[in-house]
Amino acid sequence: EVQLVESGGVVIQPGGSLRLSCAASGFTFEDYAMHWVRQAPGKGLEWVSLISWNGGSTYYADSVKGRFTISRDNNKNSLYLQMHSLRAEDTAIYYCAKAQATRVTLDVWGKGTTVTVSS
Amino acid sequence: DIQMTQSPSSLSASVGDRVTITCQASQDIYNYLNWYQQKPGKAPNLLIYDASNLATGVPSRFSGSGSGTDFTFTISSLQPEDIATYYCQQYDNLLTFGGGTKVEIK
Repeated sequence: EVQLVESGGVVIQPGGSLRLSCAASGFTFEDYAMHWVRQAPGKGLEWVSLISWNGGSTYYADSVKGRFTISRDNNKNSLYLQMHSLRAEDTAIYYCAKAQATRVTLDVWGKGTTVTVSS
Repeated sequence: DIQMTQSPSSLSASVGDRVTITCQASQDIYNYLNWYQQKPGKAPNLLIYDASNLATGVPSRFSGSGSGTDFTFTISSLQPEDIATYYCQQYDNLLTFGGGTKVEIK
């Protein structure tokens, strides 16, 4: 079964740093680009970041550029999101998602991990 | 940046009704558009890719059409299990989601 399981979400103070993880199973992880998408409480979906199959290319939404870093370890079938200088507006459920071969269609999603930025 | 405008933001319809949601892009995105369903408390699920192609396992009552800047998502006969929020997503320039359409049963 294809599965993505996120972890690392916590309650954290503004200005803090946090690393989210996503463990992949049931597919050849190294063959696919991966994404992070977030959803603030009661709001819609916001794309956050994309990483290519080998980690050689990364892309970010303007709202997180310079503060967040996406990375992956294909040996561990894992995706990461390092988050710095966290703000209240970063409060959200963070989903990792697998892309189809096109890199930009998200065909498998995890259940999400919740990040709350609050003092 | 490409903006995606969905309408309506919410709708209420009866079981068996035909439901239509529109998504308008701020510039030509060809057919680079996907549709997702998100049920309450759940992760999103891919329904339609490349504007009109049904994802694996998705019931045929769901369909999509359009190209350029104007796109349509249709549920031909609304079922109780279709209660969800639906999102369009462009991928002509990175990814952008529409604001979502919440579908409820009347």
